[in-house]
Amino acid sequence: KNEVEQSPQNLTAQEGEFITINCSYSVGISALHWLQQHPGGGIVSLFMLSSGKKKHGRLIATINIQEKHSSLHITASHPRDSAVYICAVLRDSNYQLIWGAGTKLIIKP
Amino acid sequence: NAGVMQNPRHLVRRRGQEARLRCSPMKGHSHVYWYRQLPEEGLKFMVYLQKENIIDESGMPKERFSAEFPKEGPSILRIQQVVRGDSAAYFCASSPPLRPYNEQFFGPGTRLTVL
Repeated sequence: KNEVEQSPQNLTAQEGEFITINCSYSVGISALHWLQQHPGGGIVSLFMLSSGKKKHGRLIATINIQEKHSSLHITASHPRDSAVYICAVLRDSNYQLIWGAGTKLIIKP
Repeated sequence: NAGVMQNPRHLVRRRGQEARLRCSPMKGHSHVYWYRQLPEEGLKFMVYLQKENIIDESGMPKERFSAEFPKEGPSILRIQQVVRGDSAAYFCASSPPLRPYNEQFFGPGTRLTVL
């Protein structure tokens, strides 16, 4: 079993829909990253969080440390949000990021 | 403040040649990480360096791969005698000193194609 599991693997939605991507992990962590990768593109860090909730524009990230679970939400989704969204956890007392497999999101106009 | 810079963005090599990938961390960052993303796969940790020191190279293949981060200049990931299986995107990230658990900032990646 992978240490970081994301769901769904693929998600297609219509413009304007509310999007939720989930991440579960099985190891002790000091923080969790949500990142975005466009096809053939670089990696952009969206959030780094260790507790609670963070919001940036239409993006919201939450984490529940007890349940070892995080969610990334996108409100009023837009075709330009189409990308792969990756969850990565930073282990306790470590610097290595353990990566999820990513969720490929397609938003149709 | 420029972000993490990597060059070249695309690199084509024939089997047996050497590949050199460069990473310039963000200004003020002294921690550098290299990751590899094979086609259709997630990223995998390769190596963690601080200036003039390799801290953890547990993710590096045992042969042909080496990394350095000299006192002056960029970090270099070097692949000798490349093979087709080395074709991948190689990402570099950096983080500030003193707090290595801090957020890592990523470069645009170098896409290596081995013919």
